[in-house]
Amino acid sequence: GQQLNQSPQSMFIQEGEDVSMNCTSSSIFNTWLWYKQDPGEGPVLLIALYKAGELTSNGRLTAQFGITRKDSFLNISASIPSDVGIYFCAGLFSGGYNKLIFGAGTRLAVHP
Amino acid sequence: GAVVSQHPSWVICKSGTSVKIECRSLDFQATTMFWYRQFPKQSLMLMATSNEGSKATYEQGVEKDKFLINHASLTLSTLTVTSAHPEDSSFYICSATASGRGRETQYFGPGTRLLVL
Repeated sequence: GQQLNQSPQSMFIQEGEDVSMNCTSSSIFNTWLWYKQDPGEGPVLLIALYKAGELTSNGRLTAQFGITRKDSFLNISASIPSDVGIYFCAGLFSGGYNKLIFGAGTRLAVHP
Repeated sequence: GAVVSQHPSWVICKSGTSVKIECRSLDFQATTMFWYRQFPKQSLMLMATSNEGSKATYEQGVEKDKFLINHASLTLSTLTVTSAHPEDSSFYICSATASGRGRETQYFGPGTRLLVL
C-alpha cells in the first residue's frame, strides 16, 4: 500500500532557528497537504499543494510539491515557541474516495 | 471558512455502553467525510470513509458492526462505538472534504477523546 516516509521524527531547536522537514513516497500523489497538530486537538491545515513544482508560502511557512510528485518539504523560518507541535504531511491518493495517506509526523520543540 | 466541528469533545463511559460522536461541516457541504483514530504519539489511522447517502467504506481490520457510521446529510456524519471496551479508548477525529475549482482539501474536526472504563 501507499506509504509516506516523514523525517525527521523529532527536532529540538532554539527560538529563531529555521526548520526543515520532508516527506517522500514511492507513490505519486496529486495533492500534498501539511498539517500541524497541537496536543488534544485535531490537525490544522497549514499549506495545500496541488501542482508538481508548486512552491507556496503561508507566513513563515514555505512548502513545495516535488517535481516527481513523490515528495514534499516544509520549511519554517525564524521559529517561535508557538511553533511547538506535531507536523504531519499527507498525500491525497486519488483512487476511490480520495483518501489521505499520512506521514508519521515530526515532533517540534522550540527552546526559548 | 471550512470549519468542521465534533461533539462531544470528550466522553467517559462504562464498558459495554455505546457512544455516538457527531461530525459536522459548518460552512460547507461534504459529500465525503472520514473517521480517524489516533493513539498517543502516533499518526492518524483512517478507520472508514463516510459517504452521504451510501454505506461507509471501512479500512482493513476495522469492524463495521462495532463502529457504525451514518452519513445522514451533506453536513453530518456520526460514528457510534457499540459495546465499547477499554481498548476502544482513543482520540477519534473526523475530517470532511471540501472541493472547489477541481481541488480537494480535507479539514479536520477538533477530535473526541473517548475513555472507556
